[in-house]
Amino acid sequence: DTAVSQTPKYLVTQMGNDKSIKCEQNLGHDTMYWYKQDSKKFLKIMFSYNNKELIINETVPNRFSPKSPDKAHLNLHINSLELGDSAVYFCASSQEVGGPTYEQYFGPGTRLTVT
Amino acid sequence: DAKTTQPPSMDCAEGRAANLPCNHSTISGNEYVYWYRQIHSQGPQYIIHGLKNNETNEMASLIITEDRKSSTLILPHATLRDTAVYYCIALTSNTGKLIFGQGTTLQVKP
Repeated sequence: DTAVSQTPKYLVTQMGNDKSIKCEQNLGHDTMYWYKQDSKKFLKIMFSYNNKELIINETVPNRFSPKSPDKAHLNLHINSLELGDSAVYFCASSQEVGGPTYEQYFGPGTRLTVT
Repeated sequence: DAKTTQPPSMDCAEGRAANLPCNHSTISGNEYVYWYRQIHSQGPQYIIHGLKNNETNEMASLIITEDRKSSTLILPHATLRDTAVYYCIALTSNTGKLIFGQGTTLQVKP
């Protein structure tokens, strides 16, 4: 059983296009996240949603818009793609926001290449 | 959230214990120490976390010094599959925001 899944796994597109990455978790968690890992391998949080409500927005360009139709899904839509958006994007989920029993479970990642 | 410092790389012989250190000298009383790892091209994987006491689970042990300024992650019998980047993170429990540093690249060698 896949706990956190992402589609697609690879995405190659041209500058200026609009694309979406989907994330689903079947763990019954209330909180979901998007992370970006750039070419230097630094992993940085972008957004966090708790019960479909945005709780973390880390100075991400407004070309990036997360959408959470329900607690099990958090999709990432990117408008007007730029070369610098090329990266691996990871989705994650957790039962709580912080707390003593708070672990994040990550998806396999989506490698986005903008040409 | 407190800053953590880890050595950039370490080697370990297969079957031996791997001891990965982490300094978090500015950690505050309500910040937990979390360890994650990222095996090549995969999503990060939770390993273990603790506040004050030493912790052990099926993957690893976490030893936290009494002053909480440093900790050590111990993989008791490292295998080749443990080759990964290991991240030590000091987390305040209110936002759930994991801040990943550069981590320690552990190379387990036959």
